[in-house]
Amino acid sequence: QQQVKQSPQSLIVQKGGISIINCAYENTAFDYFPWYQQFPGKGPALLIAIRPDVSEKKEGRFTISFNKSAKQFSLHIMDSQPGDSATYFCAASAQGAQKLVFGQGTRLTINP
Amino acid sequence: NAGVTQTPKFRVLKTGQSMTLLCAQDMNHEYMYWYRQDPGMGLRLIHYSVGEGTTAKGEVPDGYNVSRLKKQNFLLGLESAAPSQTSVYFCASRGLHAQYFGPGTRLTVL
Repeated sequence: QQQVKQSPQSLIVQKGGISIINCAYENTAFDYFPWYQQFPGKGPALLIAIRPDVSEKKEGRFTISFNKSAKQFSLHIMDSQPGDSATYFCAASAQGAQKLVFGQGTRLTINP
Repeated sequence: NAGVTQTPKFRVLKTGQSMTLLCAQDMNHEYMYWYRQDPGMGLRLIHYSVGEGTTAKGEVPDGYNVSRLKKQNFLLGLESAAPSQTSVYFCASRGLHAQYFGPGTRLTVL
């Protein structure tokens, strides 16, 4: 119930392509869904977040798509660049919860 | 405004030695967290605190202790280090919703 399942574990995309990372959850009480980006040797940094009252949120080349009925959300990176190569984590939490539940992470590599 | 800082950045211990990792935040956040990150294991929560003077166990608390004597600081202690505690340790603090992470401490236990 508390798990967030993330896929794929690793992803290789050509420069200029679209990178898509998916997450699924079971707990319908989750109401906050952030994505974190982590470069090697650095701590995770908040990239973008969404609440279930909207189906999509876009910030630059990064878009979260949210499907409440399917209990899934995904990160789309448009026009992927080598500088986007990093590990991406999805996460979820419920209102009033003290902790975030993280997915296992996706290592994204953008080939030039 | 430094955000979340961690001390030290790197440390090598021998089995059985003890050490304390320090996390400091200047955002006046109530919630603070300690995670460990191992290859292929994602982020695993060790302990967390919901305010000064409080601590709680996460999913992998064994072998670690924590203290939150001041709101801005969260200490992670290893009383008797073991090779299985070789990892990268991240501290985080939480604002309204988002967690903000420190740069990490890479710990090797020989």
